[in-house]
Amino acid sequence: DADVTQTPRNRITKTGKRIMLECSQTKGHDRMYWYRQDPGLGLRLIYYSFDVKDINKGEISDGYSVSRQAQAKFSLSLESAIPNQTALYFCATSTGTRYGYTFGSGTRLTVV
Amino acid sequence: GENVEQHPSTLSVQEGDSAVIKCTYSDSASNYFPWYKQELGKGPQLIIDIRSNVGEKKDQRIAVTLNKTAKHFSLHITETQPEDSAVYFCAASFPGRRALTFGSGTRLQVQP
Repeated sequence: DADVTQTPRNRITKTGKRIMLECSQTKGHDRMYWYRQDPGLGLRLIYYSFDVKDINKGEISDGYSVSRQAQAKFSLSLESAIPNQTALYFCATSTGTRYGYTFGSGTRLTVV
Repeated sequence: GENVEQHPSTLSVQEGDSAVIKCTYSDSASNYFPWYKQELGKGPQLIIDIRSNVGEKKDQRIAVTLNKTAKHFSLHITETQPEDSAVYFCAASFPGRRALTFGSGTRLQVQP
């Protein structure tokens, strides 16, 4: 099994719909992150969490919310999806800022 | 603000040649610089990293060099092979920021 599992792998949804992307990990890491990947823009931080009670906004958090249900689970929600949220979304975990991340395989989201 | 610039955005080399990707960062106090490789349909994977107290690090055919004075770091891949074809991301850890900042990515294509 993968260390960091993201579901679904692909999703097409309509404008205005609520959608949740899920992430679970078996690494035992406290820190979890959600990044968005767009062509030419690299990976941009949406939200991050250092433990269940610690949730922080990243550089592009507008239109998104998160929930840290347990140390191993970190979900990203789009309350009302819009087409410019079409992107590849990655969850990642780490033990610290000066250590490498372990990424999931990503969720490709299309909003039509 | 803190940012990481990555060049080139695309790079095509012949098999066996060397490839170099360069990143510059904005904060001289940055202290951790990882490189990630993203293959098609997969999440980024850490391939090598360097900390600010080291000038160079090697791992078989890949190496990373850090020039703190000029605030840039580079990924060097020697004897390139078709399986090196991927998107490569650099990143930096900025003091006061609790997550990595990524460059915009370089698509490397190794021509057989």
